[in-house]
Amino acid sequence: DAKTTQPTSMDCAEGRAANLPCNHSTISGNEYVYWYRQIHSQGPQYIIHGLKNNETNEMASLIITEDRKSSTLILPHATLRDTAVYYCIVRGGLGGSQGNLIFGKGTKLSVKP
Amino acid sequence: NAGVTQTPKFRVLKTGQSMTLLCAQDMNHEYMYWYRQDPGMGLRLIHYSVGEGTTAKGEVPDGYNVSRLKKQNFLLGLESAAPSQTSVYFCASSGPYGYTFGSGTRLTVV
Repeated sequence: DAKTTQPTSMDCAEGRAANLPCNHSTISGNEYVYWYRQIHSQGPQYIIHGLKNNETNEMASLIITEDRKSSTLILPHATLRDTAVYYCIVRGGLGGSQGNLIFGKGTKLSVKP
Repeated sequence: NAGVTQTPKFRVLKTGQSMTLLCAQDMNHEYMYWYRQDPGMGLRLIHYSVGEGTTAKGEVPDGYNVSRLKKQNFLLGLESAAPSQTSVYFCASSGPYGYTFGSGTRLTVV
């Protein structure tokens, strides 16, 4: 699985958009970008994933650069409840047969009032 | 609600004792996983299973054993607990669209 690089920590004001970057310069053509988050001591929670097109769901948007070497997770209106560690993970395919989720240290996002 | 259930949620063991952590999922997922998370670290994969009756080693398998006798259950065993195994343990299962994690088991070995 390709490695990812994320900033250690970020701050965001409540109500503003939170933009979390991730570099994955060695990503392969069949590898997806996944984002998970972990709110204090809870199990990680799936947010969104994408291959090469931008994706949006009720939680967030995922912007993947054209060369697929980096991506940005966008939380459009951050709330205090979005304070968490956000993990960017690259792995092949969608199903479990495509490799295991390998977690780095992620980005600790602090949303401040 | 459908999901992954871990038992127990908390446990304190003495060095050398044994215990089994249970993970159950009701989503009919083939793949199941055990991770550990130490303070300030990301999750590290201990063992995983790609189907009933199968197990495989992950990144940090030493000191642990696993069994997958039924598709819905994945057991993690510690035969002789050590203080280095003090951690939070997360179970997960995966289907076509991603992973679902349990709420964790906080284990302290004294």
